[in-house]
Amino acid sequence: EAQVTQNPRYLITVTGKKLTVTCSQNMNHEYMSWYRQDPGLGLRQIYYSMNVEVTDKGDVPEGYKVSRKEKRNFPLILESPSPNQTSLYFCASGRAGDTQYFGPGTRLTVL
Amino acid sequence: GESVGLHLPTLSVQEGDNSIINCAYSNSASDYFIWYKQESGKGPQFIIDIRSNMDKRQGQRVTVLLNKTVKHLSLQIAATQPGDSAVYFCAENTITGNQFYFGTGTSLTVIP
Repeated sequence: EAQVTQNPRYLITVTGKKLTVTCSQNMNHEYMSWYRQDPGLGLRQIYYSMNVEVTDKGDVPEGYKVSRKEKRNFPLILESPSPNQTSLYFCASGRAGDTQYFGPGTRLTVL
Repeated sequence: GESVGLHLPTLSVQEGDNSIINCAYSNSASDYFIWYKQESGKGPQFIIDIRSNMDKRQGQRVTVLLNKTVKHLSLQIAATQPGDSAVYFCAENTITGNQFYFGTGTSLTVIP
């Protein structure tokens, strides 16, 4: 089944404790992206990747890191999480210039 | 950055009626637009898309209209069903194909 998977689905952590949210897709898509979704603000793009070893900042990259060492994986790293990073995170993938397919989301709470 | 917004945050319709959800975008250089549906607890799901060389595109019970003159996008859902209740987002893709910008969403409630 073609899909985008994210892990974990739910995470509660404390300020400053490094964490990684994994994202994997099995559709051989070049393009992958991370978004955060907050009430009243919709989906905002954090980082995106056009292909392996190519990543770029989206609209809200501060406090996040990403890497794209393999085509199928695009982990989101929070080196020192803060409470304002409490949010619902979505990973997405797609062909360049085409629609994206979203994962199920990761709900992160930073205390 | 670009601004993609929605005229109405909520919309309630009777089952069987047609629904129209509107979206305004600000970047006249954008050339690809997508509508997504998001049900509670799930990720956004692709509904229909349209490129700037078209002004109308139809799918199964859905139609997207693009008016480039006034930078307006709409999603029409025919014979709305309870399963259509969700939040609907429009998204705009820059001409380079790199970044996507989403509206804040419209919550559609279908009244049985």
